[in-house]
Amino acid sequence: DAKTTQPNSMESNEEEPVHLPCNHSTISGTDYIHWYRQLPSQGPEYVIHGLTSNVNNRMASLAIAEDRKSSTLILHRATLRDAAVYYCILRVGGGGSNYKLTFGKGTLLTVNP
Amino acid sequence: GAVVSQHPSWVICKSGTSVKIECRSLDFQATTMFWYRQFPKQSLMLMATSNEGSKATYEQGVEKDKFLINHASLTLSTLTVTSAHPEDSSFYICSASAGGSYNEQFFGPGTRLTVL
Repeated sequence: DAKTTQPNSMESNEEEPVHLPCNHSTISGTDYIHWYRQLPSQGPEYVIHGLTSNVNNRMASLAIAEDRKSSTLILHRATLRDAAVYYCILRVGGGGSNYKLTFGKGTLLTVNP
Repeated sequence: GAVVSQHPSWVICKSGTSVKIECRSLDFQATTMFWYRQFPKQSLMLMATSNEGSKATYEQGVEKDKFLINHASLTLSTLTVTSAHPEDSSFYICSASAGGSYNEQFFGPGTRLTVL
């Protein structure tokens, strides 16, 4: 499985933007880039995903490098509720529902008031 | 949005007993369900993948006779930890996928198991 590399931890101040990086140099052409986050004692929550183009949704933006070997999750205005572990995961593309998500260690984001 | 529930949210049991955890997709039919385990301060580890009406596929190192998975309907999967021991104490999380072209996984809130 293609792997991802993320910083162990990052800090941000409330209401400031946060850029969470992810390296995936062994990504293949059909791998989707997923981001999930996990709040303490909860199951993971889907944040955003993309393949080649940058993506925006109500939670965040995903900027994907042109060579797709790295990506950045952008939280435009961090709130205290955004404090969580953020996981960058590569998902094999194609149809069917049996695809696996392989979770790495993720980035622990701390948001300071 | 798609909602996945788990029951119970936490359970304490004595060593040697069996514990059943339920995972339900509340507003969609889940073609595939996944079971994960998470130890404190560690990441999620996939235990098994189950398709409705089929036997589960277990990841390497996961004992299928100890962790029994049943996916009898499109909205319910169960994980039974048999003859639980203290080392089985963990956070168990399920996810469900509805199939289709994208196949996003929706996660349950998790079940905290403590074996005394």
